Amino acid sequence: DAGVTQSPTHLIKTRGQQVTLRCSPKSGHDTVSWYQQALGQGPQFIFQYYEEEERQRGNFPDRFSGHQFPNYSSELNVNALLLGDSALYLCASSLKGTLTFFGQGTRLTVV
Amino acid sequence: SQQGEEDPQALSIQEGENATMNCSYKTSINNLQWYRQNSGRGLVHLILIRSNEREKHSGRLRVTLDTSKKSSSLLITASRAADTASYFCATDAKGGKLIFGQGTELSVKP
Repeated sequence: DAGVTQSPTHLIKTRGQQVTLRCSPKSGHDTVSWYQQALGQGPQFIFQYYEEEERQRGNFPDRFSGHQFPNYSSELNVNALLLGDSALYLCASSLKGTLTFFGQGTRLTVV
Repeated sequence: SQQGEEDPQALSIQEGENATMNCSYKTSINNLQWYRQNSGRGLVHLILIRSNEREKHSGRLRVTLDTSKKSSSLLITASRAADTASYFCATDAKGGKLIFGQGTELSVKP
């Protein structure tokens, strides 16, 4: 079992650009959540997908959007990147309230 | 915004000593989870304690939960240099949305 896998590992983008991050959940998991972790802070919940629909959303602007595919994998899209979007983006998967497992994250740097 | 506070923010101990980290939260919860993070990479799940449980053990880890005080503690016994990491508590109030504290940075010196 590969666990939660994310790609890419690192990414550098320019202000104003758009970025797509990808996540494959742990085998058997049907719920995917995304978190943003700024340096020195705890992760902050962005949104959660279940059955290809956004079920919960944190306090993030509409520039942050996502998608879940029929195979439960997910994408996080961020438009009009700001310097403040530089962070570690973590994907997590779970199965209906059971343990939540995290991927290794994607380090996004906006310059 | 963060759910609550973790205390201390940083902790430095010698190998073999015990390390205790505390977490407080603000709202009612279904469960509370503790995670470890090495060098800003992914979070490793350590232990989950449900709101109707008071104490849980896993190897060298002991977690307590006091829902009346909205607080939890993580005890790592006989610490090792490999335990050096950041530790986070996360509360789950509804449907798997985890709210994290700011973490405790633990340094275990050999």
